[in-house]
Amino acid sequence: DTGVSQNPRHKITKRGQNVTFRCDPISEHNRLYWYRQTLGQGPEFLTYFQNEAQLEKSRLLSDRFSAERPKGSFSTLEIQRTEQGDSAMYLCASSIWTVSKETQYFGPGTRLLVL
Amino acid sequence: GENVEQHPSTLSVQEGDSAVIKCTYSDSASNYFPWYKQELGKRPQLIIDIRSNVGEKKDQRIAVTLNKTAKHFSLHITETQPEDSAVYFCAASRSGTASKLTFGTGTRLQVTL
Repeated sequence: DTGVSQNPRHKITKRGQNVTFRCDPISEHNRLYWYRQTLGQGPEFLTYFQNEAQLEKSRLLSDRFSAERPKGSFSTLEIQRTEQGDSAMYLCASSIWTVSKETQYFGPGTRLLVL
Repeated sequence: GENVEQHPSTLSVQEGDSAVIKCTYSDSASNYFPWYKQELGKRPQLIIDIRSNVGEKKDQRIAVTLNKTAKHFSLHITETQPEDSAVYFCAASRSGTASKLTFGTGTRLQVTL
């Protein structure tokens, strides 16, 4: 499968625990995005990387959230001290960015439930 | 920042009829407008996109139109089939610079037999 992959697909955790999600982009894609999707809503932007550089973070991304993309390949999204409001689908997307053209391809997401 | 509004939130059509979903955006600098289809429990999949240098784009039964002056764009699906049933999201971004996507709230399309 050459698409974007995410692991785990589902995560149930207790409030206050830390969780980490992984995204593997399509090979050769230089940009990687994280979005969050709650029930009945469209995805909301969280952060994105160009290669290994984190270029933008949304105000939605509180201090409890951190993302990395070491070596410009896979990325991880960590949530510390989870809260019930963090329950959502976390989607990753990747793209080949050029100044004139870019298409984002999404992964299957990680569904997080915080009890 | 960008704000995208999408209507209707639900749409039911009979098989073979056409479906139209409309979106408006607020940021006049937005220049890229993709449409994604999301089936229950699955990833959003790009079905068509349009850039601001064209007014219309068509791919088989799917077409998108863009009115830059009015800042709105629409998805048209003709000859609908049951497999078209899904949630459709429009999005907008400034391609080339701040390329994060801002999504609408989605339209649940139900194609009935």
